[in-house]
Amino acid sequence: RKEVEQDPGPFNVPEGATVAFNCTYSNSASQSFFWYRQDCRKEPKLLMSVYSSGNEDGRFTAQLNRASQYISLLIRDSKLSDSATYLCVVNAPNSGYALNFGKGTSLLVTP
Amino acid sequence: SAVISQKPSRDICQRGTSLTIQCQVDSQVTMMFWYRQQPGQSLTLIATANQGSEATYESGFVIDKFPISRPNLTFSTLTVSNMSPEDSSIYLCSVFSGGADTQYFGPGTRLTVL
Repeated sequence: RKEVEQDPGPFNVPEGATVAFNCTYSNSASQSFFWYRQDCRKEPKLLMSVYSSGNEDGRFTAQLNRASQYISLLIRDSKLSDSATYLCVVNAPNSGYALNFGKGTSLLVTP
Repeated sequence: SAVISQKPSRDICQRGTSLTIQCQVDSQVTMMFWYRQQPGQSLTLIATANQGSEATYESGFVIDKFPISRPNLTFSTLTVSNMSPEDSSIYLCSVFSGGADTQYFGPGTRLTVL
């Protein structure tokens, strides 16, 4: 079983739509959770950390369910510029500072 | 966050040769990491570059294939040795920055081995 699993998509949505991505992780001892964004041929960039209480940053909302080992990202009012691959990232608790990356979910926002 | 640069940005190499990738950070950082992202795959940690001591390699990666240097707190190199087409990948360095537990990535080196 992979450490971090995501639906690869692609998700094709119209501008203004709300879209949700899900992610599950296998190691219940993980303590740090993130969503990164990766544009084509670019490095991953931190979108937001995910906290137990859930957190929001503008149009983006992240939630964590430790009991189900499940992380979500909600994007409201999608913009064309949101088109990218979204990576779910979880720390590997038995490997120092290693991070486990999901394969990413591809989002395409269309006019 | 720290500003990270990598050289070269891309290269095309012949099998059997070696390539050294440089990573430079604009501030001193304790921890630097090297990742690989193969086509269509997620990022995989190769090793943690430790300043003043040998790098710590993840399972499946060995020093003979991926020697790493970390001469100071702002610079590291990763060498991909005796390359084969399977080494074609993007290689990224990353650092912790700003006292957070999040990692920031360099722009990556896109390697193609023929």
